[in-house]
Amino acid sequence: QKEVEQDPGPLSVPEGAIVSLNCTYSNSAFQYFMWYRQYSRKGPELLMYTYSSGNKEDGRFTAQVDKSSKYISLFIRDSQPSDSATYLCAMTDAGNMLTFGGGTRLMVKP
Amino acid sequence: GAGVSQSPSNKVTEKGKDVELRCDPISGHTALYWYRQSLGQGLEFLIYFQGNSAPDKSGLPSDRFSAERTGGSVSTLTIQRTQQEDSAVYLCASSLYPSPLHFGNGTRLTVT
Repeated sequence: QKEVEQDPGPLSVPEGAIVSLNCTYSNSAFQYFMWYRQYSRKGPELLMYTYSSGNKEDGRFTAQVDKSSKYISLFIRDSQPSDSATYLCAMTDAGNMLTFGGGTRLMVKP
Repeated sequence: GAGVSQSPSNKVTEKGKDVELRCDPISGHTALYWYRQSLGQGLEFLIYFQGNSAPDKSGLPSDRFSAERTGGSVSTLTIQRTQQEDSAVYLCASSLYPSPLHFGNGTRLTVT
């Protein structure tokens, strides 16, 4: 079993839909959580960075962490075709090493 | 520039040749990471530098792979006697602990 599980998709939604992307993990020591967006032929770009449990909002994006369930989510409101990309979750304890999910490919259709 | 810079962006090489991939991290970032991403796959950790030291080399796939970092800045990943299975995108990232990683756009390596 992988330390971080993420559905690879692809997830296809119509423009304007609310998108929910999720990761589950097994290591209870993880306390820093990140979401990266990766466009084709580009490097991963940091979207959201949260510490411990709770919600964080940035524009159309909301990151949610539930440490009791070992479950994190990224919500995208009013999705746009430009949101079409692969979304990677990542997490770490207090150390320098990140553990990544395998990524979910999202397609937003006009 | 403000971001992580990698060169070359694309590299095509013949099987058996050596290649060098370069990474210029964000200025002041003490930690530097190399990852490999094969087509449609997730990120595979290769090596991590703190300053010029590499406390974790556990991800290097074989002794054909080596990396160094000089002056706490630029890093070079070298692959000797390349094989077709080495074809992938090689990503570099840097960070200033405990901030998250910032990635470059990678070097796309094709071994023919």
